[in-house]
Amino acid sequence: GQNIDQPTEMTATEGAIVQINCTYQTSGFNGLFWYQQHAGEAPTFLSYNVLDGLEEKGRFSSFLSRSKGYSYLLLKELQMKDSASYLCAARPPAGTALIFGKGTTLSVSS
Amino acid sequence: GAGVSQSPSNKVTEKGKDVELRCDPISGHTALYWYRQSLGQGLEFLIYFQGNSAPDKSGLPSDRFSAERTGGSVSTLTIQRTQQEDSAVYLCASSLGGGTANEKLFFGSGTQLSVL
Repeated sequence: GQNIDQPTEMTATEGAIVQINCTYQTSGFNGLFWYQQHAGEAPTFLSYNVLDGLEEKGRFSSFLSRSKGYSYLLLKELQMKDSASYLCAARPPAGTALIFGKGTTLSVSS
Repeated sequence: GAGVSQSPSNKVTEKGKDVELRCDPISGHTALYWYRQSLGQGLEFLIYFQGNSAPDKSGLPSDRFSAERTGGSVSTLTIQRTQQEDSAVYLCASSLGGGTANEKLFFGSGTQLSVL
């Protein structure tokens, strides 16, 4: 079967660090994507991991453990504009569609 | 075009009517995807095109749903005899289509479909 799990909602304050977890089960695995989606807007690409470990991109980092079927997105120095839904998506065999989780809605308050 | 374009942005229809949703992918992108996003739900895969053919249409929820792509570019998603449960945001995405695993999807802003 194919399944992606992530928390439904998270809250945090400006300047803090937040970690959004994602677990996945797919038939074949060719990488893990994170997308950001502001309310009423299109999802936009944040990161891609295919090897185990941490990929850092400015305030955002993404981690993957293939043996555990686990990924997380780490957001540092949170800003109000980071309030959005964060979508975890797994790629089964290359050339097929991404499978998305239900998304985690992050609310950042001052 | 510069980005993925979808039209209309909003569509209100009556139960039982047919609707057509249009997607214009990024120029040069050979892969095109349709997803559906309902309130509180994730992106639900509907259909994937590579060029004009659809190697994966496993996500279409019923035979009321169909899609086509012509000229390797514009795609139309048609929903016949709409039902209230069809109300959702329909998102289209495109990618280069080279088949590499790290290929990013670029999304349009979606069509908000409301079936009354």
